[in-house]
Amino acid sequence: AQTVTQSQPEMSVQEAETVTLSCTYDTSESDYYLFWYKQPPSRQMILVIRQEAYKQQNATENRFSVNFQKAAKSFSLKISDSQLGDAAMYFCAYRSEYAGGTSYGKLTFGQGTILTVHP
Amino acid sequence: EAGVVQSPRYKIIEKKQPVAFWCNPISGHNTLYWYLQNLGQGPELLIRYENEEAVDDSQLPKDRFSAERLKGVDSTLKIQPAELGDSAVYLCASSYRGSSYNEQFFGPGTRLTVL
Repeated sequence: AQTVTQSQPEMSVQEAETVTLSCTYDTSESDYYLFWYKQPPSRQMILVIRQEAYKQQNATENRFSVNFQKAAKSFSLKISDSQLGDAAMYFCAYRSEYAGGTSYGKLTFGQGTILTVHP
Repeated sequence: EAGVVQSPRYKIIEKKQPVAFWCNPISGHNTLYWYLQNLGQGPELLIRYENEEAVDDSQLPKDRFSAERLKGVDSTLKIQPAELGDSAVYLCASSYRGSSYNEQFFGPGTRLTVL
């Protein structure tokens, strides 16, 4: 079974600064996706960024970028120029792409990291 | 386009009472998921539907939880009887298997409090 670990329960950053959230995962599969989701107090889970395991290039989405280290099974999220609206709980998630398994499409989440942004 | 709709947003019940949650996925999405999110934790999958078929319900506590997805559209998750430990947020998500990324879109969740 796949596991996802976020070792930072809480992080804080000053507005306009950069912060990195850590995530490690464990899997024996070769075909999968990794995601970062943001969950504000409204509880709406919002996709921040995705990474396909077979792509070596790190994904970027505006101020958000990842450092994907496949061999080390590490997937960190960097938020640049942090804004007050970035404050939320952030979840790292794994999704199997093995179409023949019952776990196909299932998201496995980490425990989450609460990000506080100070003005 | 409307997102995933869930109701109610909040529910408070006494233990041993039954409760039901409703989810309306994004139009055209053939896959529907129910997740359980305990306070301060990441969501955990309870059940996944492909159209009207439950293809993964291994994490659903079948002694008290049940779910259905009639006609492969709306879904209802039921707990009977509810226990104190069932207090949590119940999230529904949907996706279209066959899209480029099979991205899951989440609803706002139902926060259940069992007294």
